[in-house]
Amino acid sequence: DAGVTQSPTHLIKTRGQHVTLRCSPISGHKSVSWYQQVLGQGPQFIFQYYEKEERGRGNFPDRFSARQFPNYSSELNVNALLLGDSALYLCASSWDSTGNYGYTFGSGTRLTVV
Amino acid sequence: QKEVEQNSGPLSVPEGAIASLNCTYSDRGSQSFFWYRQYSGKSPELIMSIYSNGDKEDGRFTAQLNKASQYVSLLIRDSQPSDSATYLCAVNMDGGYQKVTFGTGTKLQVIP
Repeated sequence: DAGVTQSPTHLIKTRGQHVTLRCSPISGHKSVSWYQQVLGQGPQFIFQYYEKEERGRGNFPDRFSARQFPNYSSELNVNALLLGDSALYLCASSWDSTGNYGYTFGSGTRLTVV
Repeated sequence: QKEVEQNSGPLSVPEGAIASLNCTYSDRGSQSFFWYRQYSGKSPELIMSIYSNGDKEDGRFTAQLNKASQYVSLLIRDSQPSDSATYLCAVNMDGGYQKVTFGTGTKLQVIP
């Protein structure tokens, strides 16, 4: 079985640009959560989607948005990129909506904003 | 006050010793607790989950939970150099929706 797949693996963008990150959860998993991990810090919660509905949003500006498609894959969009958006973006897959059974993470997208 | 706190380390232990990693959390309504291992340059990997007070053992790993003290710990017995990684404590806060909050992680170094 395929695990959680994220694309692209690495990305370099210029300040002010827009970026779209993609995630496909484990087959049968209906929940996708997005996390941002800055070097030396723990992952920070951005969004959670379950059955195509937004179920949670972390303390991130409106420049961050996401959506989940009928096949449960998800996109994270970030507009007007800032240098501080440089981070590892992690997609986390789970089969339920509660978060009580832990996540399987994808390998992440390393975003560098220059 | 940070919601999930861990000592950033590094925690250095000799090979074969017991490594003890600690975590405190702020929300008394928290329901579920996790330990993730993250190797340098890789994504986190779930190694333990615990839901009720007491100990839970899985191979060389033991998770301990004390809800009254709002304290979670991870013991690694017979530490191996391959255990060298950052260990992230994660807590599912009772927010009515899925909000799993991570600590900053403790870096463990196992010295051969």
